[in-house]
Amino acid sequence: QQPVQSPQAVILREGEDAVINCSSSKALYSVHWYRQKHGEAPVFLMILLKGGEQKGHDKISASFNEKKQQSSLYLTASQLSYSGTYFCGTESMDSNYQLIWGAGTKLIIKP
Amino acid sequence: EAGVTQSPTHLIKTRGQQATLRCSPISGHTSVYWYQQALGLGLQFLLWYDEGEERNRGNFPPRFSGRQFPNYSSELNVNALELEDSALYLCASSSFGVGQLTDTQYFGPGTRLTVL
Repeated sequence: QQPVQSPQAVILREGEDAVINCSSSKALYSVHWYRQKHGEAPVFLMILLKGGEQKGHDKISASFNEKKQQSSLYLTASQLSYSGTYFCGTESMDSNYQLIWGAGTKLIIKP
Repeated sequence: EAGVTQSPTHLIKTRGQQATLRCSPISGHTSVYWYQQALGLGLQFLLWYDEGEERNRGNFPPRFSGRQFPNYSSELNVNALELEDSALYLCASSSFGVGQLTDTQYFGPGTRLTVL
């Protein structure tokens, strides 16, 4: 079953913070985060593994709450380059080595 | 290191025709995934190939098929094209990740298929 991403879209001013959530009805083994800019391919951001630590690089970080079966992506002091659609891909023990993708969260950063 | 490449960039076909899309994975990657992304929508899983074999397929009709060659490149064929097949078709290749069930996927730039 497809994970639910929220919000569907968000508009920010440069420098503001954003949180994107990804929730699943299944017990998750990992969550993968990608960003897709308009007209481009999705680009891998990070992976959160069950039992692993919160990840992050630059001003983008993510957490994984196994009990709540959800992951959150944090973008702090957003930059114009953060604009795009963010997708989470989840895997569970019964997903047959497939990522089940959320519908995406569109992030628009304005100067 | 070269990334995932796909060809052609754009493809225009008419209803009922066949389309062939190609993908070359990152060197050393043995798995190739195909996705359909309709305009403004998310990623819909089509097919997964690994070591030359089809490992899984998504909820698409049989007219969507493909194969993986000995050099791990892959081909997606769509027969009897329909208008709703118009979409961006993305290919991704993957590498083994320690502790992961599913490998990290690296996407190509996609093929934009337009069916008239």
